[in-house]
Amino acid sequence: SQQGEEDPQALSIQEGENATMNCSYKTSINNLQWYRQNSGRGLVHLILIRSNEREKHSGRLRVTLDTSKKSSSLLITASRAADTASYFCATDAIKTIFGAGTRLFVKA
Amino acid sequence: DTEVTQTPKHLVMGMTNKKSLKCEQHMGHRAMYWYKQKAKKPPELMFVYSYEKLSINESVPSRFSPECPNSSLLNLHLHALQPEDSALYLCASSQPTANTEAFFGQGTRLTVV
Repeated sequence: SQQGEEDPQALSIQEGENATMNCSYKTSINNLQWYRQNSGRGLVHLILIRSNEREKHSGRLRVTLDTSKKSSSLLITASRAADTASYFCATDAIKTIFGAGTRLFVKA
Repeated sequence: DTEVTQTPKHLVMGMTNKKSLKCEQHMGHRAMYWYKQKAKKPPELMFVYSYEKLSINESVPSRFSPECPNSSLLNLHLHALQPEDSALYLCASSQPTANTEAFFGQGTRLTVV
């Protein structure tokens, strides 16, 4: 299975702190994507990093990809209470396989 | 318009009922997907349609029957479901190419009684 595995499973931080989530996967990929899901509703696409990229930024988000280790990390800087959600990594697009997810709690 | 619209938002059905979930997008995407998500679990891929043809069926039981009547619409027909089929059903769409993001609907919360 190509499924990504995230860690930690849950993360609780104070507003203003940085949050780092990690994802590992098993097979070669075309790209890796990160999604956010609020309260069991639809997923929102955050960022896509291609297999030939090592780092990508979008606003307060920083994603790294290490294809040699088959791992990726998502860093959210200066977290806000509104960042409270579940975060999933996912591999590829046509047959997107999601990791187990990290539940992030940001306390105001 | 970057929305994927799913109806209904909530559905309660008996095990002998027949119902359908609907999904619509107007972004010109030619790939559409159904996912099933249980509580505190990641979405699990069920079906993929590419250019209105079923391209992937992840060994889903036949009581779930997908249909793609045109490039904007995706249905999931439900019949003789079991209580364990209760879940959030998510529809998504994307371009049918690599390195493209998928857009998700808000889901249908299905309860089978």
